[in-house]
Amino acid sequence: KQEVTQIPAALSVPEGENLVLNCSFTDSAIYNLQWFRQDPGKGLTSLLLIQSSQREQTSGRLNASLDKSSGRSTLYIAASQPGDSATYLCAVRGRGSQGNLIFGKGTKLSVKP
Amino acid sequence: NAGVTQTPKFRVLKTGQSMTLLCAQDMNHEYMYWYRQDPGMGLRLIHYSVGEGTTAKGEVPDGYNVSRLKKQNFLLGLESAAPSQTSVYFCASTVTGRAFGYTFGSGTRLTVV
Repeated sequence: KQEVTQIPAALSVPEGENLVLNCSFTDSAIYNLQWFRQDPGKGLTSLLLIQSSQREQTSGRLNASLDKSSGRSTLYIAASQPGDSATYLCAVRGRGSQGNLIFGKGTKLSVKP
Repeated sequence: NAGVTQTPKFRVLKTGQSMTLLCAQDMNHEYMYWYRQDPGMGLRLIHYSVGEGTTAKGEVPDGYNVSRLKKQNFLLGLESAAPSQTSVYFCASTVTGRAFGYTFGSGTRLTVV
């Protein structure tokens, strides 16, 4: 059974710092991996998707990497801003077109001005 | 350009009452999902559908039923609500293909008293 773990559970940094959020998964047979952002009381916003054959994806100040063989992904946020404060969720989709999305419990990020 | 729409956004039920949550997507997606999100538990899959007229159980299906009579709609029913079903419910949809991620609705906050 696929399990997804995110470390740390919470992180507080001063504005301007570069930071890395970690995600690990137990079964390397994945279809793709998706990073989401969730603001308090809100829905999930997709940030980046990495296909199983890819190593990384970039969008603006965000860069996500995937090492399928070791079961790890990282989300790198450059030059953090207070507006980046949110919970970040990592989710992996199982192999096969009918694979379902399995979530980690998230990292709650707080960026202090 | 609505994406995934969930109704209602908020609801308070008394124990034993029934209700139906509606999810509608306008992206012609084949697959649709219902998740619940609880503090400390993350997002867990309740039921899903891989096409019109088909449904399947997820991780936590007990106490819920679903129907997918039309491709664009996925209904989640609570036959006899219990306080343990107090949660935030999210609907999502996607298509086949590693390049495609899940799109989520904004959620329904349900309280059972």
